[in-house]
Amino acid sequence: SYELTQPPSVSVSPGQTARITCSGDALPKKYAYWYQQKSGQAPVLVIYEDSKRPSGIPERFSGSSSGTMATLTISGAQVEDEADYYCYSTDSSGNHGVFGGGTKLTVL
Amino acid sequence: QVQLVQSGAEVKKPGASVKVSCKASGYTFTSYDINWVRQATGQGLEWMGWMNPNSGNTGYAQKFQGRVTMTRNTSISTAYMELSSLRSEDTAVYYCARAGGSYAIDAFDIWGQGTMVTVSS
Repeated sequence: SYELTQPPSVSVSPGQTARITCSGDALPKKYAYWYQQKSGQAPVLVIYEDSKRPSGIPERFSGSSSGTMATLTISGAQVEDEADYYCYSTDSSGNHGVFGGGTKLTVL
Repeated sequence: QVQLVQSGAEVKKPGASVKVSCKASGYTFTSYDINWVRQATGQGLEWMGWMNPNSGNTGYAQKFQGRVTMTRNTSISTAYMELSSLRSEDTAVYYCARAGGSYAIDAFDIWGQGTMVTVSS
């Protein structure tokens, strides 16, 4: 079955740039979506269609995709950005979704 | 406001079935797909499948084929996810999520609050 691969953890100091990657064979043809999940809460959409930002999401969140890798970038990460981040996409058929394993972002 | 409200926590015995509901409000229920996602304690998100509330069409992750059924009652704007032959590994928080709402067809823009399902003898 189709898989998306993320690093288990990323750590940065406040104000630094955090980059979280997501690799998958279908990403050249399928969009990536990014979700932020804080402890005990439901996930929140932070990036859709590779690089678009929903309303209410701070401008420091951005996304890009090239080849088989999508990247979530948090420019000037804040302590409140500490969370688990998940990429999501669909397989080549478009009928089945898949989440990456998640990346725990630590900002301290 | 636009929201999805899920049913309460469940405790089931191995081999039993569970049916979780997800009531939509604040928008036209039949206009957007509902997806189901689960998360075991301390683990990642796992996509289970989708349902089109208008047509009733569904698509399930291969892992759950034969065990999961997603249905809806349009008269009360409610989606359901039933999982059968429960085992301990099905203990998780189950979320419903709206897709294709404010943003893109595969973007989950509204999530329910989650329903804890515990499978224990």
